[in-house]
Amino acid sequence: DIQMTQSPSSLSASVGDRVTITCRASQAITDYLAWFQQKPGKVPKLLIFAASTLQSGVPSRFSGSGSGTDFTLTISSLQPEDVAIYYCHRYDSGPPTFGGGTKVEIK
Amino acid sequence: QVQLRESGPGLVKPSETLSLTCFVSGGSIANYYWSWIRQPPGKELEWIGFIYSSGSTEYNPSLKSRVTISVDTSKNQFSLKLSSVTAADTAMYYCARGKRGYSHGPFDYWGQGTLVTVSS
Repeated sequence: DIQMTQSPSSLSASVGDRVTITCRASQAITDYLAWFQQKPGKVPKLLIFAASTLQSGVPSRFSGSGSGTDFTLTISSLQPEDVAIYYCHRYDSGPPTFGGGTKVEIK
Repeated sequence: QVQLRESGPGLVKPSETLSLTCFVSGGSIANYYWSWIRQPPGKELEWIGFIYSSGSTEYNPSLKSRVTISVDTSKNQFSLKLSSVTAADTAMYYCARGKRGYSHGPFDYWGQGTLVTVSS
């Protein structure tokens, strides 16, 4: 299976900070990469798919980039409601796999 | 608004079969891929398999010998059976919908998840 390595595993930043999370695939996956957010006790929420396409209804402060093996999720201005765990997910072929998650907290 | 809800026993005995159902409301189960995903405590997410509304399936090779996913389009629901469970199958189990036209994701709707513990 293609492995997804996500970093950092956790981060703490101030409100308004720019936050970047990276995900690296063990093999090239073109742009078959999604990011989703999971808040405690809440349903996971799709943020980005096709590496850089914003899911409908997701705030524009979220953006994604990358292709091949290296991908990035950026929150341009961190908000208190962004406290969550963020996961990358590759879906180029079966079985799809997920990154280990990044826990984002407010400093 | 599409909503998914997992239902099933929270406790299963070792060697028995885990059975869960995902109820889909707010939209039709037709013409989509529907997946089961799990996350053991402190571990990574693992895709279990999917079923298309027509009934075609694909399973994770790591679980293929023990997994069956079925669909009931008349009831707008799909189900998971995992046989011969052990403590390693203790996890939060999620159902999810693949975006239209996509089989292995991305998943645009998820259930809240249900915790299944395997213990005697």
